Amino acid sequence: RKEVEQDPGPFNVPEGATVAFNCTYSNSASQSFFWYRQDCRKEPKLLMSVYSSGNEDGRFTAQLNRASQYISLLIRDSKLSDSATYLCVVKKLTGGGNKLTFGTGTQLKVEL
Amino acid sequence: ETGVTQTPRHLVMGMTNKKSLKCEQHLGHNAMYWYKQSAKKPLELMFVYNFKEQTENNSVPSRFSPECPNSSHLFLHLHTLQPEDSALYLCASSNGGLNNEKLFFGSGTQLSVL
Repeated sequence: RKEVEQDPGPFNVPEGATVAFNCTYSNSASQSFFWYRQDCRKEPKLLMSVYSSGNEDGRFTAQLNRASQYISLLIRDSKLSDSATYLCVVKKLTGGGNKLTFGTGTQLKVEL
Repeated sequence: ETGVTQTPRHLVMGMTNKKSLKCEQHLGHNAMYWYKQSAKKPLELMFVYNFKEQTENNSVPSRFSPECPNSSHLFLHLHTLQPEDSALYLCASSNGGLNNEKLFFGSGTQLSVL
């Protein structure tokens, strides 16, 4: 089983739609969780951290379910500029320090 | 504009060539990383340097040789690569060493090995 699993998509949605992505992780010792965004042919950039209580940043809401070992990202009122690949990232403590593990990403295409 | 710059942006090399990738960060960070991104695969961590010291080598073949002369510069020396090494190579930096998960990535070097 992969450490971090995501549906690769693509998710094709009309502008203004609400879309949600899930990500599952296999290691229950994972400590922290993040969503990164990667535009086509660009570098990944941190979108938001995911807190146990859930957190919101404008149109974006991230939630964590430790019992089921998944995190989610909800995008409301999607814009054309939201088209990108969304990477789920999990941090866990290892012998060498904290280690980040990336998922393969979920591709979102927002269309007119 | 990113605070992490990588050169070259694109590189095509033969299997017998020797080349180097360069990364420079202007953010005053202590840790620098090399990641490999292949099509349809997750980012793979290759090397980590913390305060110029290599703290992680993620079972990377010896044909990849990193060098970190100071906290702002990171190199990846390449020699006798294989076609399966073709990928996007991303450099990243972070503050607070290994305990900071906010990575700042460079734009990457798209490498093609013929």
